[in-house]
Amino acid sequence: RKEVEQDPGPFNVPEGATVAFNCTYSNSASQSFFWYRQDCRKEPKLLMSVYSSGNEDGRFTAQLNRASQYISLLIRDSKLSDSATYLCVVITSGGSYIPTFGRGTSLIVHP
Amino acid sequence: DVKVTQSSRYLVKRTGEKVFLECVQDMDHENMFWYRQDPGLGLRLIYFSYDVKMKEKGDIPEGYSVSREKKERFSLILESASTNQTSMYLCASSLAGTQYFGPGTRLTVL
Repeated sequence: RKEVEQDPGPFNVPEGATVAFNCTYSNSASQSFFWYRQDCRKEPKLLMSVYSSGNEDGRFTAQLNRASQYISLLIRDSKLSDSATYLCVVITSGGSYIPTFGRGTSLIVHP
Repeated sequence: DVKVTQSSRYLVKRTGEKVFLECVQDMDHENMFWYRQDPGLGLRLIYFSYDVKMKEKGDIPEGYSVSREKKERFSLILESASTNQTSMYLCASSLAGTQYFGPGTRLTVL
């Protein structure tokens, strides 16, 4: 079983739509969670950390559900420029902060 | 601003060649990582280092070695390149879990 799982998509949505991605993780000792964004042929970049109480950054909202072991990313009012692959990252407790990456969810926002 | 650089964006090598991929970070981070990324497989960890001269195997270390002689520099070495090592190689450094990636090296082994 994969440690971090994501629906690869693609999610194809019109501009202005609201779209949500989930990411499940298998290790209950996981303690830190992140969403990264990766544009085509570019390196991944941190989009946002995910806090236990949930957090929002403009049109983006991230939530953590420890009981069901998943994190989510909600994008409101989608823009063409949101088209990218979104990677879920989980870090399990320990001193070395070794991340486990999901394989990513592809989002395509069309006019 | 955080900066991670990699020595080459594109590299073409022949089977059996020794290949060096260099990564430099200017943030004084202790942790550095090498990944490869392939379509459908996502990012896979090859090696990581949490201090100078320290290294740990990741999930797919076979066919690779690393060197960390200075804190800012982490090198990935392909001792004898093979065609199945054709891939995108990404270096990262991290602070408290947040990863900062270099632009990647697209390596083709013929």
